[in-house]
Amino acid sequence: GNSVTQMEGPVTLSEEAFLTINCTYTATGYPSLFWYVQYPGEGLQLLLKATKADDKGSNKGFEATYRKETTSFHLEKGSVQVSDSAVYFCALRSYSGAGSYQLTFGKGTKLSVIP
Amino acid sequence: NAGVTQTPKFQVLKTGQSMTLQCAQDMNHEYMSWYRQDPGMGLRLIHYSVGAGITDQGEVPNGYNVSRSTTEDFPLRLLSAAPSQTSVYFCASSHLGGDRGAYEQYFGPGTRLTVT
Repeated sequence: GNSVTQMEGPVTLSEEAFLTINCTYTATGYPSLFWYVQYPGEGLQLLLKATKADDKGSNKGFEATYRKETTSFHLEKGSVQVSDSAVYFCALRSYSGAGSYQLTFGKGTKLSVIP
Repeated sequence: NAGVTQTPKFQVLKTGQSMTLQCAQDMNHEYMSWYRQDPGMGLRLIHYSVGAGITDQGEVPNGYNVSRSTTEDFPLRLLSAAPSQTSVYFCASSHLGGDRGAYEQYFGPGTRLTVT
């Protein structure tokens, strides 16, 4: 079956530090890959996505590259801000036939950015 | 567009009670789903639907029932609440289609349920 493994948190960084959150996956076929972000007390929002190998998704200064050879989709940001404090989820979506899709999430990584 | 709406936001139930969590979307999405979020577990899929009249089980369906009579609504029923069902529940929707499932899932704000 499909699975997503992301680095355990929590992660605490100082403002303007470099961020990497590792994500690796196991899937059949050719999944699409996503990073979602959840701010305190809210639902999940799509942060970025990539649909095929070597695609780079980017949004709000965050980037992730779909690496098929290493089955990875690591999230990076060059300079984090206090407002980036949230829980980040890596996810994959694969077609499972008969018009059905399966979205599989990692367990989430909590990021806290201190001034 | 209101997007995905969920009611109620908070709910406390006693063991054995039943209730329905409501979910509605106004984006004409074919695909709708329910997840539960527990600490250290990420999100786990309970049930999903690819269109009106079609539902299927996800990873953790036991103790929950769903139906999809319209495109817009996808209620989740707890048949006989148990403390193990204490969780935050999220409804999500998206378009179906090709491009290997690249369509974004839109999430509701969640329902925080406590079963005592």
